[in-house]
Amino acid sequence: SQKIEQNSEALNIQEGKTATLTCNYTNYSPAYLQWYRQDPGRGPVFLLLIRENEKEKRKERLKVTFDTTLKQSLFHITASQPADSATYLCAEVDFNKFYFGSGTKLNVKP
Amino acid sequence: DVKVTQSSRYLVKRTGEKVFLECVQDMDHENMFWYRQDPGLGLRLIYFSYDVKMKEKGDIPEGYSVSREKKERFSLILESASTNQTSMYLCASSLRTSAPYNEQFFGPGTRLTVL
Repeated sequence: SQKIEQNSEALNIQEGKTATLTCNYTNYSPAYLQWYRQDPGRGPVFLLLIRENEKEKRKERLKVTFDTTLKQSLFHITASQPADSATYLCAEVDFNKFYFGSGTKLNVKP
Repeated sequence: DVKVTQSSRYLVKRTGEKVFLECVQDMDHENMFWYRQDPGLGLRLIYFSYDVKMKEKGDIPEGYSVSREKKERFSLILESASTNQTSMYLCASSLRTSAPYNEQFFGPGTRLTVL
């Protein structure tokens, strides 16, 4: 079965730098990957979707890439701000079912 | 503003009690989901429903049941609560269209503690 893996260690970066988070999948290449943001005590909020045949997707300071050779998606936040501090989850989308990774916590220090 | 609400933010129950977690969405979404979230394990799907009175098991349905009598409401039932069901429970909803990539909208979560 498919497994979505994210680095469980928190990522600590300085304000203004680019944060890069990784999502790896173990078996078949998902047709779609979504990225969500989750703040403490709240439910996840959708950020971006990328399709298998898309190499890159952008939304404001966010960028997602999808590398089917490496079985990996990278999530970048440029010019990071303390307000970007949160846990970021990736999810494989298989029609109406979603398979989430455990998330990576991002800490942006001022 | 779209909204998914859950009946309680925090809940404390005793082992063996029957527990009801309620979820309501106001977006006229067909799909509704129940997850539990535990540290290091991420979100795991318990059940989902793609229509009124329809339900499908997710990855960890044991010890749980669900009810969907109305489109906007999806209930999760713990028939006999156990301590290993202490967790954060998240409800979500999404549109059901031919596109398989609709985003999910989540509620704020219910932190359930079973003593």
